[in-house]
Amino acid sequence: SAVISQKPSRDICQRGTSLTIQCQVDSQVTMMFWYRQQPGQSLTLIATANQGSEATYESGFVIDKFPISRPNLTFSTLTVSNMSPEDSSIYLCSVVPSGRTDTQYFGPGTRLTVL
Amino acid sequence: AQSVTQLGSHVSVSEGALVLLRCNYSSSVPPYLFWYVQYPNQGLQLLLKYTSAATLVKGINGFEAEFKKSETSFHLTKPSAHMSDAAEYFCAVRYSGGGADGLTFGKGTHLIIQP
Repeated sequence: SAVISQKPSRDICQRGTSLTIQCQVDSQVTMMFWYRQQPGQSLTLIATANQGSEATYESGFVIDKFPISRPNLTFSTLTVSNMSPEDSSIYLCSVVPSGRTDTQYFGPGTRLTVL
Repeated sequence: AQSVTQLGSHVSVSEGALVLLRCNYSSSVPPYLFWYVQYPNQGLQLLLKYTSAATLVKGINGFEAEFKKSETSFHLTKPSAHMSDAAEYFCAVRYSGGGADGLTFGKGTHLIIQP
């Protein structure tokens, strides 16, 4: 299985600021995704991180709020911009390993609290 | 639109008893189905997956699930519950075989194990 690390693991931020979350995988992957898990809720797909091109966002999520980069096959960042308390969530990176398209793994998540 | 329904936001069983967590999906085409477990303050761990091979799928920690197309179900079972099974369980579906689409998650079922 792919080993996924995320930085930071948690953070407390002030409203109006931005936070960039990093996702690093130990092997090349086909697909990388970003999910949000609001307190006590299930997971919601934010976007697909496309290597070398703009991310593909799900309905309700926009690039200005959640800019995403994926410069290579093993690394991606998600920025949560102009944060408000409603952005307090766990943000998870997820990958589909190369050659293993029938499965999907998740990183440990970044727990974000916005005051 | 694809959807996943998990019946019961909370399920309580006694230690040693049968665990049954229900999952139904909406689809007219065979999906890829997954069960994930989330322990407190941790990321998601893949329990098992159905990818159009055997309909009875065995996973980690003694869990298994059976894909029933006629019932559009993928219920998760374990013959004998252990205290360490207490966690949040998520059923998820994906409709593309190439992994290009993200997962759609159910709302989750919190499994409580009574001593």
